[in-house]
Amino acid sequence: RKEVEQDPGPFNVPEGATVAFNCTYSNSASQSFFWYRQDCRKEPKLLMSVYSSGNEDGRFTAQLNRASQYISLLIRDSKLSDSATYLCVVNDGSFQKLVFGTGTRLLVSP
Amino acid sequence: EAGVTQFPSHSVIEKGQTVTLRCDPISGHDNLYWYRRVMGKEIKFLLHFVKESKQDESGMPNNRFLAERTGGTYSTLKVQPAELEDSGVYFCASSQDSTIYFGEGSWLTVV
Repeated sequence: RKEVEQDPGPFNVPEGATVAFNCTYSNSASQSFFWYRQDCRKEPKLLMSVYSSGNEDGRFTAQLNRASQYISLLIRDSKLSDSATYLCVVNDGSFQKLVFGTGTRLLVSP
Repeated sequence: EAGVTQFPSHSVIEKGQTVTLRCDPISGHDNLYWYRRVMGKEIKFLLHFVKESKQDESGMPNNRFLAERTGGTYSTLKVQPAELEDSGVYFCASSQDSTIYFGEGSWLTVV
């Protein structure tokens, strides 16, 4: 079983749609949780950290459920520029080592 | 402010040859990491330096891989001899606190 599991997609949605990605992690000792965005042949870039209380940044909302070891990302009012791969990332409990999911690919069409 | 820079951006070498990848972290960042993504797989941790010391090298796949960070500034990752399965993208990252910044990666193809 992978440490971080994501649906690889792709998710094909029209502009303006709302789309949700989910992720599960296996290491209950994980302490920090993130969503990274990766464009084709580019480096991963931090989109947002994820907190138990949930957090929102503009059109993006992230949620963490520690009991279920489940993380989600909601994107509202999708833009063409949101097309990318979204990586669910957790630390391994030691804080400094990140464990990546394989990513979920999002394609937003006109 | 310059980000994490990596060199070369692309490299094609033959099986059995040696390749050395270089990473310049963001100035002042004590933490430097190497990660890699091989075809069809997720990005995986290789190792972590704190200044010039190896903090965690649990992700290094085998002894054909050697990472150094002499002086605690830039780092090199040498693959010797390279094998076909080493093909992929090697990301370097750096941090000073909890936010980790990635370089654009060095794409390695072993033929």
